[in-house]
Parts: sequence; C-alpha cells; structure tokens
Amino acid sequence: GAGVSQTPSNKVTEKGKYVELRCDPISGHTALYWYRQSLGQGPEFLIYFQGTGAADDSGLPNDRFFAVRPEGSVSTLKIQRTERGDSAVYLCASSSSLAGGPHEQFFGPGTRLTVL
Amino acid sequence: DQQVKQNSPSLSVQEGRISILNCDYTNSMFDYFLWYKKYPAEGPTFLISISSIKDKNEDGRFTVFLNKSAKHLSLHIVPSQPGDSAVYFCAANSNYQLIWGAGTKLIIKP
Repeated sequence: GAGVSQTPSNKVTEKGKYVELRCDPISGHTALYWYRQSLGQGPEFLIYFQGTGAADDSGLPNDRFFAVRPEGSVSTLKIQRTERGDSAVYLCASSSSLAGGPHEQFFGPGTRLTVL
Repeated sequence: DQQVKQNSPSLSVQEGRISILNCDYTNSMFDYFLWYKKYPAEGPTFLISISSIKDKNEDGRFTVFLNKSAKHLSLHIVPSQPGDSAVYFCAANSNYQLIWGAGTKLIIKP
C-alpha cells in the first residue's frame, strides 16, 4: 500500500477491557509516531519510534498505555483496563529518517476508540 | 498550558479571495513549524513547513510567514478554492514531537 494504514478503523469496547490498535507505516519509513486526538483538539503526541526502539515515550499518559514495534515496521498500541477517558481517535504517522530538522509525517486515517 | 494556539475555531472566505490562518506559540525553542490539512474521517495531510531561521516559505498557492519576535505564524492561501475547505492545524516541532494547535475550520464559499 502507498500510505499509512491503521486497523481497525473503529473499535468499541467496554470499560476495563484490553485493546490493541495496529499501524502499518509506509514501507521504508524508519520513524513511527502515535498521537491521540480528542474532539475539538489537535493531535496529542504519545510515542515516537526510531526503528524498533521507542526514542521518546514521554507522551504516554500512564502505564496502562504501551506500544511496540518489534521488527521496525508494524506497530501496535496497547491499552490495558480501558477507561471512558481513553475514547479518542488514535492516529499513527510515519516519516523517513533524515539528518537534522523535523520530517514531514504521513498520517493514517486513525482508529476511533470508544470506551463504553 | 497550550504551547501552540489557533485562536479562530473557524473562518469563512469567498472563493477566489485570500484565506489567512493564524497560529501563535509560546516556546522560542521550537525549530520548525508545519501546517497540516485534515478532511473528515481522514488523517492530517502535510501542506507546508518553515524553519525557524526563515521568515517565509512559498509553495504554489500556499505561503507561510513566520514572525519570531511575535511568536506568530500564518498560512496564506490564494486564491482560495472550494477544495480548500477543511480543518487546518498548525504544529511546532520539539525534539521530533509535534505540538499541535486545536485547528481552524476553513469554509470556502462559492
């Protein structure tokens, strides 16, 4: 595929359940980002991967949130014991790694998570 | 404490006229600024960026101006077209994190 894909597009779950959100970045992009967007707000940074390692996870709100990227491509965002406040659109982006400066980030369509 | 602010939730502009979208920031350490456009049910799409060492960058109908002393940037779209109707986000780079404004919904009237 040419762009970033995310699955599922929508996820409805009950409070307390565990969810996994998947991101397939653009082939060859070494950098991968997760953001969360609540209604009426801009995306909020969660975590940034460079290759397989999390280069910056300072945006993860608490230890219920965890993300992995074991082979440096696909990433999974995992949320344990979901709470109603976790309801949001979760966006994934990828970019090529260039020396210096930020890079244009290419976004997927997002996963809309609803916690009942 | 919002580091990037877009104070206009919406803006309506006549087709063919200039659209000006504004963004203010508080952190003088931001080194790069980007504008993204977002349609409903899609992810944001990169439009244009500017380094903090520049004061203007132009790409076709889109021009971004940066005023560092005022910590202000603006996106100019001219001429505005119906397909420009979308939500526009301003974002600032801080150590590869993008810090985003809340967005401005631009409506182009025919």
